[in-house]
Amino acid sequence: DSGVTQTPKHLITATGQRVTLRCSPRSGDLSVYWYQQSLDQGLQFLIQYYNGEERAKGNILERFSAQQFPDLHSELNLSSLELGDSALYFCASSVAGLAEETQYFGPGTRLLVL
Amino acid sequence: KNEVEQSPQNLTAQEGEFITINCSYSVGISALHWLQQHPGGGIVSLFMLSSGKKKHGRLIATINIQEKHSSLHITASHPRDSAVYICAVKETSGSRLTFGEGTQLTVNP
Repeated sequence: DSGVTQTPKHLITATGQRVTLRCSPRSGDLSVYWYQQSLDQGLQFLIQYYNGEERAKGNILERFSAQQFPDLHSELNLSSLELGDSALYFCASSVAGLAEETQYFGPGTRLLVL
Repeated sequence: KNEVEQSPQNLTAQEGEFITINCSYSVGISALHWLQQHPGGGIVSLFMLSSGKKKHGRLIATINIQEKHSSLHITASHPRDSAVYICAVKETSGSRLTFGEGTQLTVNP
């Protein structure tokens, strides 16, 4: 158990819908990362937050958005869902968001868009 | 050409064998991570390297910054080591992780 929690574990929805994925980092970790793992593209970095502020942006679509709240939990919002958005979405956390730090991964949310 | 390439893509071994998984990258990096992904999907961080060598139990990770290459070794492999092993690099020019495609390891009893 990494100490990072993600909800829900599984999500099935239809094209065009909007969903929210939630992540709670390890106690004491200030930085949260979101990753997408799809069958055809492997693991991809989406976005990073540090203490409520966006720190780095990766291959995140405009239909997706995220935020980190004052209690440090983070939410990833996916809207106008397409079939290709079906994937495993991982959240990870680290203490200060530095390159040299270990990231601790949550169990992931498996999203299926029908 | 991917910025991070792993070899082999698939590896099958007998229990007890010594295993090596390789990772080559083409960008300047500040750190390299080795991750393990179990069949259920969960990801565990094994090592973070910026130079030299690290050891944890039967796992050893090395990195050669000049050659832009890292290796993950598993000694006395066991069926429970069966998983996907993923190499990821943190580029010096940014703060995102770039991932290799992973190596599927199967260790047979």
